[in-house]
Amino acid sequence: QQQVKQSPQSLIVQKGGISIINCAYENTAFDYFPWYQQFPGKGPALLIAIRPDVSEKKEGRFTISFNKSAKQFSLHIMDSQPGDSATYFCAASKRWYGNKLVFGAGTILRVKS
Amino acid sequence: DAGVIQSPRHEVTEMGQEVTLRCKPISGHNSLFWYRQTMMRGLELLIYFNNNVPIDDSGMPEDRFSAKMPNASFSTLKIQPSEPRDSAVYFCASSFAGLNEKLFFGSGTQLSVL
Repeated sequence: QQQVKQSPQSLIVQKGGISIINCAYENTAFDYFPWYQQFPGKGPALLIAIRPDVSEKKEGRFTISFNKSAKQFSLHIMDSQPGDSATYFCAASKRWYGNKLVFGAGTILRVKS
Repeated sequence: DAGVIQSPRHEVTEMGQEVTLRCKPISGHNSLFWYRQTMMRGLELLIYFNNNVPIDDSGMPEDRFSAKMPNASFSTLKIQPSEPRDSAVYFCASSFAGLNEKLFFGSGTQLSVL
């Protein structure tokens, strides 16, 4: 059962452009939605996270938009840079289970210089 | 802070052999997770421990897989006997399941079963 659906599978963006990755979840009990960034040969690392009490969270060039009624959330990378080229995973969890995260399938982002 | 430490980084073994993966979580973290990453199935949670006690092992594929956490600073994931379909990257992660919900991953063990 895929509880978090992520799209697209891969994305190519020009330097300076906006990268957008989308996720949809099914379980309305989820209340913590992080995005992880993974470089080749490394483990995933937390990039930014949001709770459902806000509709948007911004940290530098990275923004999460959250739509609770649609059960969707997205990652926007503004002014995309070649160094942003990585695999991005959305995830979700029920907070009272600690950090038992369910991950999306991942999006491979390539930023062309 | 040395982060989550996994060993070995790479493991190549033959089908039928026993494989043991090791993990040292971040000091002070009380939750530990084993994930498996493959192209086909993405990141899958295998098992997680809270305060050294296994809480949920529903993701463990079959009886060939076992995990232990004898103390707060060490965990193992064992596969016996190993099979080619076990080839994957295995990640260990740790966190403090409180207000800070960051989950820190190790660099993973690339396992190849021939």
